[in-house]
Amino acid sequence: SQTIHQWPATLVQPVGSPLSLECTVEGTSNPNLYWYRQAAGRGLQLLFYSVGIGQISSEVPQNLSASRPQDRQFILSSKKLLLSDSGFYLCAWSGGVGYEKLFFGSGTQLSVL
Amino acid sequence: DAKTTQPNSMESNEEEPVHLPCNHSTISGTDYIHWYRQLPSQGPEYVIHGLTSNVNNRMASLAIAEDRKSSTLILHRATLRDAAVYYCILKGQNFVFGPGTRLSVLP
Repeated sequence: SQTIHQWPATLVQPVGSPLSLECTVEGTSNPNLYWYRQAAGRGLQLLFYSVGIGQISSEVPQNLSASRPQDRQFILSSKKLLLSDSGFYLCAWSGGVGYEKLFFGSGTQLSVL
Repeated sequence: DAKTTQPNSMESNEEEPVHLPCNHSTISGTDYIHWYRQLPSQGPEYVIHGLTSNVNNRMASLAIAEDRKSSTLILHRATLRDAAVYYCILKGQNFVFGPGTRLSVLP
């Protein structure tokens, strides 16, 4: 069966520090991968999506970047965090025929202080 | 990706049916209608999806209008555990979430 792992669960970082959040998917190949962010009390904002290794599309210009070094690994990064980067970050995957649904990881609660 | 419109919030009594509406007047012929729900401090979870015909699963039913410009998620007997934010999404190239409907279930 397919599983998605996302870590860490919580993170407190000072303003100006770097960020690296990692997400991995098991049990499937060539998934579509997504990063979403949810500010407190708000809806989900699509940040990045990827249809293959090295293929990243950005939905919103911002202080963040994403990379996909391996088929089932998706990384969200920042060189210098801003206060406005605080939020709940969610990784998700979807697949091909029969797997058109979106499956989410457990999320990372990021607080930038 | 086409947009959807949902009420901000709804209330239901426990063990009564709930009908959550969604308008998607700009839907294209290949867009699937997806519903997800999000419990507090968790990622969204899949509820149901369909293209043209009504769909049923163990969680809910999805009623799709004949012109596909609207749909309704039906929870047949609401429980306290169904209190969540429900998102209606048109799956085109991507999964783009709107603000959703916050469902409160009263005991």
